[in-house]
Amino acid sequence: NAGVMQNPRHLVRRRGQEARLRCSPMKGHSHVYWYRQLPEEGLKFMVYLQKENIIDESGMPKERFSAEFPKEGPSILRIQQVVRGDSAAYFCASSQGDGYGYTFGSGTRLTVV
Amino acid sequence: QKEVEQNSGPLSVPEGAIASLNCTYSDRGSQSFFWYRQYSGKSPELIMSIYSNGDKEDGRFTAQLNKASQYVSLLIRDSQPSDSATYLCAVTEGYQKVTFGTGTKLQVIP
Repeated sequence: NAGVMQNPRHLVRRRGQEARLRCSPMKGHSHVYWYRQLPEEGLKFMVYLQKENIIDESGMPKERFSAEFPKEGPSILRIQQVVRGDSAAYFCASSQGDGYGYTFGSGTRLTVV
Repeated sequence: QKEVEQNSGPLSVPEGAIASLNCTYSDRGSQSFFWYRQYSGKSPELIMSIYSNGDKEDGRFTAQLNKASQYVSLLIRDSQPSDSATYLCAVTEGYQKVTFGTGTKLQVIP
């Protein structure tokens, strides 16, 4: 069991470019969550997805950010026209259902230059 | 807005002592409670979950839950330098996403 797989581990983008972050949940897990963590700050919820459905996107900025979890393939967090303030660690987590603890991936460290 | 509050620390304890980490939450409907450990530059790791009032022990870790007081704690017995990390308290109603506290930084002094 490879756990939650995130890639890339590190991503550098210039201002205005697009960033695509990928997450494959643990085998048997159907719930995927994305969190953002700024240095020395807590984990901030962004979006909760199940296969082909966005369950809760209350933490997603209204513009430039989108997420999907298609029937086949990994979940994707997409950030368009990145700005310096988007620089952060983005963690994906998965669980087997509501009320269960999460297993986190290693995260993607996004740096916008 | 649902909140989870933790003292940011750092909490310093000598090696071999008991470390006590505390957390309060605002949503009385919360049903599931978790403690995660996060080493610097790494991802959070689930170390304890607790769902009912009282104590739950797992090795050197004990989680305590008091729903009436909306209070969760984590005790680490015989603290080791390798326990030095940030400990995140997390809470959910069960059918929604988990809300995390900002974490307490623990330093175990050899």
